[in-house]
Amino acid sequence: DAEITQSPRHKITETGRQVTLACHQTWNHNNMFWYRQDLGHGLRLIHYSYGVQDTNKGEVSDGYSVSRSNTEDLPLTLESAASSQTSVYFCASSDRDRGGDTQYFGPGTRLTVL
Amino acid sequence: GESVGLHLPTLSVQEGDNSIINCAYSNSASDYFIWYKQESGKGPQFIIDIRSNMDKRQGQRVTVLLNKTVKHLSLQIAATQPGDSAVYFCAESASNYQLIWGAGTKLIIKP
Repeated sequence: DAEITQSPRHKITETGRQVTLACHQTWNHNNMFWYRQDLGHGLRLIHYSYGVQDTNKGEVSDGYSVSRSNTEDLPLTLESAASSQTSVYFCASSDRDRGGDTQYFGPGTRLTVL
Repeated sequence: GESVGLHLPTLSVQEGDNSIINCAYSNSASDYFIWYKQESGKGPQFIIDIRSNMDKRQGQRVTVLLNKTVKHLSLQIAATQPGDSAVYFCAESASNYQLIWGAGTKLIIKP
């Protein structure tokens, strides 16, 4: 079955380190998104991509970067991790060719920055 | 900026009763609305959606109502079960594939 996976599921790192979170989808979806979710809050968009080589900034993109070298993957990199980036990160994808609005989510990565 | 919001952060419902979760939106250009369910430790899961050319859509035990006049969206869950305990998010889209998310409503089922 097609799915969207994230790795690692849990990560502890130190302030200033570079961290990369992986997202892989086998839906063959054009659109991919990264969100962060802080305790008791909704989802905030970090970056998104509408296709290979396309990346765009969301509302909370500072300190994060993404690259889209193929359809399946959209890794999220924290250039220099900060304690304010402690959060749960969700990756999602949607199919542009079928309306593109319904997003399907991965299980999340819980990141702790000490 | 324009955003989606929710009236109640927590809703407690007796098992077997119907649940109604409300959501207000402010972007009149939004033409697509989705409800997601998020269980503890998991990613949001699609429940049901509705486009702006409709005012009601039914799924299995769930119904979404859209009132464009007052920019209001609701999710009705019939015969609420313990497995319905979760946080429910509404989201809206204005045709750019991006979703604007509400803060979420926590649904608690009382035995």
